[in-house]
Amino acid sequence: GESVGLHLPTLSVQEGDNSIINCAYSNSASDYFIWYKQESGKGPQFIIDIRSNMDKRQGQRVTVLLNKTVKHLSLQIAATQPGDSAVYFCAENTWEYGNKLVFGAGTILRVKS
Amino acid sequence: DAGVIQSPRHEVTEMGQEVTLRCKPISGHNSLFWYRQTMMRGLELLIYFNNNVPIDDSGMPEDRFSAKMPNASFSTLKIQPSEPRDSAVYFCASSLDSRGTFGSGTRLTVV
Repeated sequence: GESVGLHLPTLSVQEGDNSIINCAYSNSASDYFIWYKQESGKGPQFIIDIRSNMDKRQGQRVTVLLNKTVKHLSLQIAATQPGDSAVYFCAENTWEYGNKLVFGAGTILRVKS
Repeated sequence: DAGVIQSPRHEVTEMGQEVTLRCKPISGHNSLFWYRQTMMRGLELLIYFNNNVPIDDSGMPEDRFSAKMPNASFSTLKIQPSEPRDSAVYFCASSLDSRGTFGSGTRLTVV
């Protein structure tokens, strides 16, 4: 039969614009969330994390927002640069998992110069 | 710190051969994870260890896969016998809490 791969959502933005990448997580008991960036040929790289007792956390050019009511997480990248082009994954954790992270499917970010 | 070190970076092997992937975690980290990444299924957790003890191996696809962690600074993932459908990028990650640090991965091709 025909093989079907994961169809990752793609976000295309113009250099200098802001990017918003969304993630719906599955477990309402999850209390810790991480965003990872994966560039071609490399392993996922930590960007920013947030615990469930917070709604927002800011880093350098990045902000993570957490809406526990609808189990939604977003990553905002300010002034997107060509070097931000990558696949972005959200990951969730709960005490039930120990230290195990459960990853989402990922979103492709393409930055146009 | 050199980060999580995986070897080899690339491995091409014939179907039926044994393959061993290696990982050196970050010193001081107490958890180690093996992931597999494919276009079909994305990033899948195969097994994870806490303090060198396997905690959850529910993601190991079948008995052909085995993983060991003989000490805090070394882990192996073995596939015997290998099959073409095992072709993927295999990542090792380590952590002290839930924030995993990933290695660069081993790209395995089984022909």
